[in-house]
Amino acid sequence: AQRVTQPEKLLSVFKGAPVELKCNYSYSGSPELFWYVQYSRQRLQLLLRHISRESIKGFTADLNKGETSFHLKKPFAQEEDSAMYYCALSGLSGCREKLTFGTGTRLTIIP
Amino acid sequence: DAGVIQSPRHEVTEMGQEVTLRCKPISGHDYLFWYRQTMMRGLELLIYFNNNVPIDDSGMPEDRFSAKMPNASFSTLKIQPSEPRDSAVYFCASSFRGIGAKNIQYFGAGTRLSVL
Repeated sequence: AQRVTQPEKLLSVFKGAPVELKCNYSYSGSPELFWYVQYSRQRLQLLLRHISRESIKGFTADLNKGETSFHLKKPFAQEEDSAMYYCALSGLSGCREKLTFGTGTRLTIIP
Repeated sequence: DAGVIQSPRHEVTEMGQEVTLRCKPISGHDYLFWYRQTMMRGLELLIYFNNNVPIDDSGMPEDRFSAKMPNASFSTLKIQPSEPRDSAVYFCASSFRGIGAKNIQYFGAGTRLSVL
């Protein structure tokens, strides 16, 4: 079974401070991991995928298979980073299209 | 493309009434997903379709919930009869699987359902 755990429902960080949103997963095969973000009054949208190994809006996330984690990081928080963040997983084999989401973390950046 | 279009944006109804939520996926996308978002459980997959055929409905909570996709450009999620615990935001998303596809889901703006 696929499971995604985001241990923090709420996270507050001061502007300019580092941000880390935690995500742990459980999956027996090879996973594909994603971070989706929902800004206020906007649609849920993809932030980044582990396969792309890219940095989006200053955020990065590294897949750690040993720790089964995919934490989202940014060295210096900005006010516009305040949003709801969801970690999601799909299996690279089998039904790749089906995503399992975590319960989300609401990030608030304090000015 | 206007993206995934959902209607209505807000729905307020009384317990026991039938509720129908609608979704128009992005043209050319062959997968359609229905999700429910609540504070307690986050984003839960209810059902998804591939080429208009339901593939996995294991997330549908009860027989009161049903979903259809009569053609590639339209899907409905129906709740009959509705109950207060169905109050949530319901999202529709679509994606495309093809050569070079990146397995990205595109979400609609959601329907906020309140059952009184």
